[in-house]
Amino acid sequence: DAGVIQSPRHEVTEMGQEVTLRCKPISGHDYLFWYRQTMMRGLELLIYFNNNVPIDDSGMPEDRFSAKMPNASFSTLKIQPSEPRDSAVYFCASSQGLAGRTDTQYFGPGTRLTVL
Amino acid sequence: LAKTTQPISMDSYEGQEVNITCSHNNIATNDYITWYQQFPSQGPRFIIQGYKTKVTNEVASLFIPADRKSSTLSLPRVSLSDTAVYYCLVGDMGTGRRALTFGSGTRLQVQP
Repeated sequence: DAGVIQSPRHEVTEMGQEVTLRCKPISGHDYLFWYRQTMMRGLELLIYFNNNVPIDDSGMPEDRFSAKMPNASFSTLKIQPSEPRDSAVYFCASSQGLAGRTDTQYFGPGTRLTVL
Repeated sequence: LAKTTQPISMDSYEGQEVNITCSHNNIATNDYITWYQQFPSQGPRFIIQGYKTKVTNEVASLFIPADRKSSTLSLPRVSLSDTAVYYCLVGDMGTGRRALTFGSGTRLQVQP
């Protein structure tokens, strides 16, 4: 398996523009996670899905952020409109999610977003 | 919530054994302890997971005392390539977010 795939790897945009980040989880994994990492706040969980259904989106900063998972092999994280403070590395991760334990999460390479 | 506390940073030399301790005083009965490693410009990578006593794999060992209020990640004979940030997580997937909170981590710097 190729692992978790994210695109683009780098994104530079101007304030106010819409940004869409994409993720393909590992085949057969039931859970998908979106994280954001900055120097100031570390690695933060934004939202996670189980079987394509959003389970917890309490980490989504505000209404400008939205995430979807239309099928088991694809998810998007959208920021509209983008702001300079959204600049960060965004990671997608997936796991099998075995009940009763914290299952191994496999992380993608991340998307480095810069909002000017 | 089971909060974890780790040292912010540690320094070591090549060939030494490194032990990183994580405190989790409020760990729940169903919680597992998981450690991740993150290199610069990469996503975190699973190292090891345990529930009690000792777990060992090809990369590290995890020591968990009987009261499970702390855990120690042991890296034998570190090399320069072990320079990374190490995160301790505590939780149960069934409890959702609590299991998915990465703390500040421990920045390990290995010197030649």
